[in-house]
Amino acid sequence: AQSVTQLDSQVPVFEEAPVELRCNYSSSVSVYLFWYVQYPNQGLQLLLKYLSGSTLVKGINGFEAEFNKSQTSFHLRKPSVHISDTAEYFCAVSVWNQGGKLIFGQGTELSVKP
Amino acid sequence: EPEVTQTPSHQVTQMGQEVILRCVPISNHLYFYWYRQILGQKVEFLVSFYNNEISEKSEIFDDQFSVERPDGSNFTLKIRSTKLEDSAMYFCASSIDRGVRTEAFFGQGTRLTVV
Repeated sequence: AQSVTQLDSQVPVFEEAPVELRCNYSSSVSVYLFWYVQYPNQGLQLLLKYLSGSTLVKGINGFEAEFNKSQTSFHLRKPSVHISDTAEYFCAVSVWNQGGKLIFGQGTELSVKP
Repeated sequence: EPEVTQTPSHQVTQMGQEVILRCVPISNHLYFYWYRQILGQKVEFLVSFYNNEISEKSEIFDDQFSVERPDGSNFTLKIRSTKLEDSAMYFCASSIDRGVRTEAFFGQGTRLTVV
């Protein structure tokens, strides 16, 4: 079975500071990795995904994530955050033989303070 | 930009009552999903639906739950006799393809509160 762990439930950070949201996964088979963001009162929106190829993937709003197979991690980073980045961030995996089903982590609440 | 819409945004119901959560997926999408998130817990897969039948369901999706695409545009989740532990945020999603590489588009969620 697959599982996803987001190590931080809340991450407070000051505006223009860098941020890293951590995600680790467990799987005995190949997975695809995703980060979703949920702004207040909105649905989940795809930030970025890793399917294959370069382990560093870039997404929307200046976010990027690096896939590390040996550490089974897919941490999300942004060099300089804005107030508007305040949201809940979800890491998720899908398995190649399980259709489109997503397995989510518990989410990390990013709070950007002025 | 096309989006998945869910109604209502918040529903309060008494224990034992039936509820129907509604979703309008993106019009050319073929695969539909329901997920839920109990407060403070992970977003959990409930069910996937394609070609008017369930493709896959989780162990959470027991006989109390059912899904339907009644009119070719709506996609509904019915809970027959709600329990307190059904209180959660329910997310609908749709995708154009079932492939793992395909992006699923999510609605804003329906917060169900069972009292």
